[in-house]
Amino acid sequence: GAVVSQHPSRVICKSGTSVKIECRSLDFQATTMFWYRQFPKQSLMLMATSNEGSKATYEQGVEKDKFLINHASLTLSTLTVTSAHPEDSSFYICSAVQGAQTHGYTFGSGTRLTVV
Amino acid sequence: DAKTTQPTSMDCAEGRAANLPCNHSTISGNEYVYWYRQIHSQGPQYIIHGLKNNETNEMASLIITEDRKSSTLILPHATLRDTAVYYCIVTISSGSARQLTFGSGTQLTVLP
Repeated sequence: GAVVSQHPSRVICKSGTSVKIECRSLDFQATTMFWYRQFPKQSLMLMATSNEGSKATYEQGVEKDKFLINHASLTLSTLTVTSAHPEDSSFYICSAVQGAQTHGYTFGSGTRLTVV
Repeated sequence: DAKTTQPTSMDCAEGRAANLPCNHSTISGNEYVYWYRQIHSQGPQYIIHGLKNNETNEMASLIITEDRKSSTLILPHATLRDTAVYYCIVTISSGSARQLTFGSGTQLTVLP
C-alpha cells in the first residue's frame, strides 16, 4: 500500500533556530500534501495545503512566513519552522494524497518538535 | 463537511467486539463516512469508509443506518493494539483533494 515517510521522528532545537521536516511519498506521486499540527490531548489541526509546483494555502491563523512549506516535487514536501519558540513545540503530521480520492490519504508517522 | 459527534471515550474487553458510534445527522447525499484511528504518538491510519451500504474489510466493519444520519464502526475482536483514538469524518470524495477535518474522536481503551 501507499507509504509516507516523515523525517525526523523527533527533534529538539533551541529557541530562535529553524527546523526542517520532510514528508516523502515512497511509492506514489502525491499531487497534494497536507500539514497538520497536534498539541497534547487535542485533535489534529490543519495548518496548510500544498500542491506540487505551487504556493501552499495556509489556514487562518497560521503564519506563512513562520511555517515555510515547499512542495517542489511529486514525492517530497517540506515544512520549515523558522525562528522556533517553545510555543511551537507540537506534533507535526503530514498527509499525502494520490489523486483526488479521500480514501487515498496516507499519513506520515509524525514529528515531535520540542523547542527549548 | 458535515459535523460529527462521537463519545469521548469507551472501554472494551480484549477479544470482544468494539462498537464505536458516530452521529452525522447533517450528512448530505454525496458525503462519505470515513474512519481513521490514531495510536498514541503516531500518524492517523485509514480504517474504512462507506457511502450507503455496510462495508467490511480486514480491519473492521462499518454499519451505516438507512437514513445515513449515524454509523457504527465495529472491531470484531478487539486486541490491546486497537487502543487508539478513533475519528469519524464525513466528507465528499471526488473532485479536488480535500483536507480531512478531525473532530475530537473517541478514545478506545481495550482492557486485558
